[in-house]
Amino acid sequence: DIQLTQSPSSLSASVGDRVTITCRASQSIATYLTWYQHKPGKAPKLLIYAASSLQSGVPSRFSGSGSGTDFTLTISNLQPEDFATYYCQQTSDVPLTFGLGTRVEI
Amino acid sequence: EVQLLESGGGLLQPGGSLRLSCVGSGFTFSSYALSWVRQAPGKGLEWVSGFSAADGNIYYGGSVKGRVTISRDNSKNTLYLQLSGLRAEDTAVYYCAKEPITPGRGFDFWGQGTLVTVSS
Repeated sequence: DIQLTQSPSSLSASVGDRVTITCRASQSIATYLTWYQHKPGKAPKLLIYAASSLQSGVPSRFSGSGSGTDFTLTISNLQPEDFATYYCQQTSDVPLTFGLGTRVEI
Repeated sequence: EVQLLESGGGLLQPGGSLRLSCVGSGFTFSSYALSWVRQAPGKGLEWVSGFSAADGNIYYGGSVKGRVTISRDNSKNTLYLQLSGLRAEDTAVYYCAKEPITPGRGFDFWGQGTLVTVSS
């Protein structure tokens, strides 16, 4: 199975900050990497697919980059509604796997 | 509007079985790959099982393999998950999730989830 290692596991930030979350795959996954935002009691929300493509309707302050084994999610100008847990997921091979998540808190 | 609505959760006994349903609307159900994803309390997301958009085959996650069956009835726009030999570690919110038409782009829509609690 492909393992995804996210870091940090949690971070504290303020409104207006720039936040970067990393995701490292245990083997090359090309750009088969997706990022989600998840808030308690809500359905996860797809933010970025194919490592760097912004999902329709997602604010442009979210961006993704990387290929192979190393990926990043960047949130520029952090907004109050961005405080949540973020997960990466690889779709290169089954079983599909997720990182353990990064909690972004005030 | 795309909607996915799960049902079938509740309090279940260890060793028992469950059958979850997910009804889809607002899209051509039969044309899309669908999966089940779960989140145990205080834990991250775990892919359980799904229909592949790439080849149409069924795949299962390691932690439930041998105990789980996924199926779909396109005439009823419904996805199912059957899980037997329930354990405490199966306690989780179970989500159904839809893939976009292009494979490998994650899950673009999710249901709100149904809570399964395994306890005596």
